[in-house]
Amino acid sequence: QQPVQSPQAVILREGEDAVINCSSSKALYSVHWYRQKHGEAPVFLMILLKGGEQKGHDKISASFNEKKQQSSLYLTASQLSYSGTYFCGTDNDMRFGAGTRLTVKP
Amino acid sequence: DTGVSQNPRHKITKRGQNVTFRCDPISEHNRLYWYRQTLGQGPEFLTYFQNEAQLEKSRLLSDRFSAERPKGSFSTLEIQRTEQGDSAMYLCASSSRLAGGPVVTQYFGPGTRLTVL
Repeated sequence: QQPVQSPQAVILREGEDAVINCSSSKALYSVHWYRQKHGEAPVFLMILLKGGEQKGHDKISASFNEKKQQSSLYLTASQLSYSGTYFCGTDNDMRFGAGTRLTVKP
Repeated sequence: DTGVSQNPRHKITKRGQNVTFRCDPISEHNRLYWYRQTLGQGPEFLTYFQNEAQLEKSRLLSDRFSAERPKGSFSTLEIQRTEQGDSAMYLCASSSRLAGGPVVTQYFGPGTRLTVL
């Protein structure tokens, strides 16, 4: 079953923060996050496996709630290079959410 | 290059023709996925293989679509009697999975853009 992402789109100024949410009606074994730039294939960002897990690199991090039904991606002090569409994917069958289009403006 | 490769990168065909796409996954990956993506949408799952076995096929996949992975290495996706609605980017991805564990990660190929006239 396809996870639900919100918001559908967000526009930021450079340096602002954003949160993208991904939720499922059932507990997930894991959740993956990807970023896709226009005309390119999705690129893996990170995977979360455990309830309550938080991880990240640079200024992009993610969390997985205790019930493993919701994950959030946090983009801090956004840069122009963060622009793109962010997808979450569920485990096993790798269904993807519809995506969140992030635009960072100077 | 040890990434996922897809050929051709672009395909233009006339309605009613058959097309075949090829995907070469990362060599040590045992799982291979096919997705379809249209503008503004997330990747739509089509089918996946574990080694040479096709384990799941989307109900959205009509009988005109068929995929194979004969030796557990490369895979082909064939679309017969193409329709204009088949126009999309077809993405291939590969991954490895520990026994009884989660998918480690998934790497996408550059995709094949199909245009049906």
